[in-house]
Amino acid sequence: AQTVTQSQPEMSVQEAETVTLSCTYDTSESDYYLFWYKQPPSRQMILVIRQEAYKQQNATENRFSVNFQKAAKSFSLKISDSQLGDAAMYFCAYRSPPRTGANSKLTFGKGITLSVRP
Amino acid sequence: EAGVAQSPRYKIIEKRQSVAFWCNPISGHATLYWYQQILGQGPKLLIQFQNNGVVDDSQLPKDRFSAERLKGVDSTLKIQPAKLEDSAVYLCASSLGRGLGSFQETQYFGPGTRLLVL
Repeated sequence: AQTVTQSQPEMSVQEAETVTLSCTYDTSESDYYLFWYKQPPSRQMILVIRQEAYKQQNATENRFSVNFQKAAKSFSLKISDSQLGDAAMYFCAYRSPPRTGANSKLTFGKGITLSVRP
Repeated sequence: EAGVAQSPRYKIIEKRQSVAFWCNPISGHATLYWYQQILGQGPKLLIQFQNNGVVDDSQLPKDRFSAERLKGVDSTLKIQPAKLEDSAVYLCASSLGRGLGSFQETQYFGPGTRLLVL
């Protein structure tokens, strides 16, 4: 079974600085997708960035980028120029293609709480 | 474009009572998901619908939980009778659901229903 591990429960960053959130996963698949979701307090979860495993180039979305290390099964999120609005829980998630007799679930890590200091 | 709608936003009940949650997905989205998010954990898939059919309910505690999506649009999730450990946020999500490629699709989440069982 696939597992997603986020070992840091909390992190803090100074406004305008850069922070990296770590994620590792375990899978025997070669083709899959990885996601980072943001969940602000009492607000809905939104997709921050996604990475396709067969693409070697790391995904980038404005101030958000990933460091995808397929061999190490590592998928970290870098937030540059941190803003107060970045404060939230961040979840790393994994999804593999469906196989015969098995559904393709989105598997989430436990999340990390990011606080941004003004 | 309207997002995923859920109601109620908050619910407090006593153990052994019944409760129902409602979800209206984004218009045109064929796939609908119900997740349970216990405090301090990532969301866990309870059930996945494709139109009005169940794709995966392997993690749904069927002795007390039920869900339906009769017309392939709105969905309800019911708990009867509730236990203390059912206290959680129940998230509904939807995606386009374009056949075999659907595992690549972004899931859009609703604001969730926060349930407290006393």
